[in-house]
Amino acid sequence: QQQVKQSPQSLIVQKGGIPIINCAYENTAFDYFPWYQQFPGKGPALLIAIRPDVSEKKEGRFTISFNKSAKQFSLHIMDSQPGDSATYFCAASGSAGGKLIFGQGTELSVKP
Amino acid sequence: DTGVSQDPRHKITKRGQNVTFRCDPISEHNRLYWYRQTLGQGPEFLTYFQNEAQLEKSRLLSDRFSAERPKGSFSTLEIQRTEQGDSAMYLCASSFAYSGANVLTFGAGSRLTVL
Repeated sequence: QQQVKQSPQSLIVQKGGIPIINCAYENTAFDYFPWYQQFPGKGPALLIAIRPDVSEKKEGRFTISFNKSAKQFSLHIMDSQPGDSATYFCAASGSAGGKLIFGQGTELSVKP
Repeated sequence: DTGVSQDPRHKITKRGQNVTFRCDPISEHNRLYWYRQTLGQGPEFLTYFQNEAQLEKSRLLSDRFSAERPKGSFSTLEIQRTEQGDSAMYLCASSFAYSGANVLTFGAGSRLTVL
């Protein structure tokens, strides 16, 4: 019940494409859902986050869509660029804060 | 503030040896987390502190692992009698705890290789 399942494991898109990464959770106590971006040799960095009281959040080219009833959320990257090539992780935590539970990661490659 | 600092960045050791990693969090952050990450996997929670108190420890964490945060500032993670399966990236993160979003800022990690 503590797991966050992420798909796909890897994704290749052309520059300008819109990669979509999906995550699903089971624990209904989760109420904070961030996405982290990680480049090789670096730690993960927060990209964007959402709470279940909204169905969508946009920050620049990054959008989170959230479906509370399905217990799923996804990351969309608009007009993707080669510099977006990285590994993306979804995560979740409960209202008391504490630990983040991470998905398995998606390795994204954006071809020029 | 230079962010979350971890030392050493790389450690190669022989099986059976003890290793210690240090993490210096962002100064105003009161929570500090340790995660382990293996190749192709997401960060796996190990333990976290709020100030000096260790609030949670993963059930997956062997008793060979111990973490401390003696003065509520830096933290150390010690692995005793290392095994090859301990080879991983050990990530430290910090955050400022309040009721609401839990924004973790990660360090670059300490990579452990056990021969």
